[in-house]
Amino acid sequence: NAGVMQNPRHLVRRRGQEARLRCSPMKGHSHVYWYRQLPEEGLKFMVYLQKENIIDESGMPKERFSAEFPKEGPSILRIQQVVRGDSAAYFCASSPGQGFQPQHFGDGTRLSIL
Amino acid sequence: AQTVTQSQPEMSVQEAETVTLSCTYDTSENNYYLFWYKQPPSRQMILVIRQEAYKQQNATENRFSVNFQKAAKSFSLKISDSQLGDTAMYFCAFAAYSGAGSYQLTFGKGTKLSVIP
Repeated sequence: NAGVMQNPRHLVRRRGQEARLRCSPMKGHSHVYWYRQLPEEGLKFMVYLQKENIIDESGMPKERFSAEFPKEGPSILRIQQVVRGDSAAYFCASSPGQGFQPQHFGDGTRLSIL
Repeated sequence: AQTVTQSQPEMSVQEAETVTLSCTYDTSENNYYLFWYKQPPSRQMILVIRQEAYKQQNATENRFSVNFQKAAKSFSLKISDSQLGDTAMYFCAFAAYSGAGSYQLTFGKGTKLSVIP
């Protein structure tokens, strides 16, 4: 499958734990977007990364959330000390390069906080 | 800031009939892109159709077409010959250069479409 790969598909954490969500972009894509979908809502932009650089993090909560896209390996969205309000579906999308390019979405990770 | 409004939380249509989903948006940008995404129960985000704002001709993809009214900032989706597999949430989305280096998508809240046999 050459599409955007997200794992895990479903992640369960207890309050106060850390959550790590992974995204491998499509082959040949070097740009990654992360979005969050709360229940009954549309997706909301969180962060845009290129390899080794955060380009736009204007949608990221100021605390507990961080993202990276290392030179090797998948992009990681990290949520520290999770709270109930972090329960949501987190989607990753990738695009091939700079300028406007269509974004291709992964199947999402559903994060549930107990 | 851009906003996208979908005023129909839920709609239903008989199989083989035609249905139109509405979407309006607000922006001060002149160059932008509009999209309709489909999200079935499996939760995948599937691109249905896209429209570049500089193109006057309405986009068409098989049974899916749009009515793009730039002056009115309206972007409706028409589904012809509705099929049971069209049952899904439909999201209207907008993209323009953010100034911070990205073409982030701004989504509406969605319209839940049910196709009735």
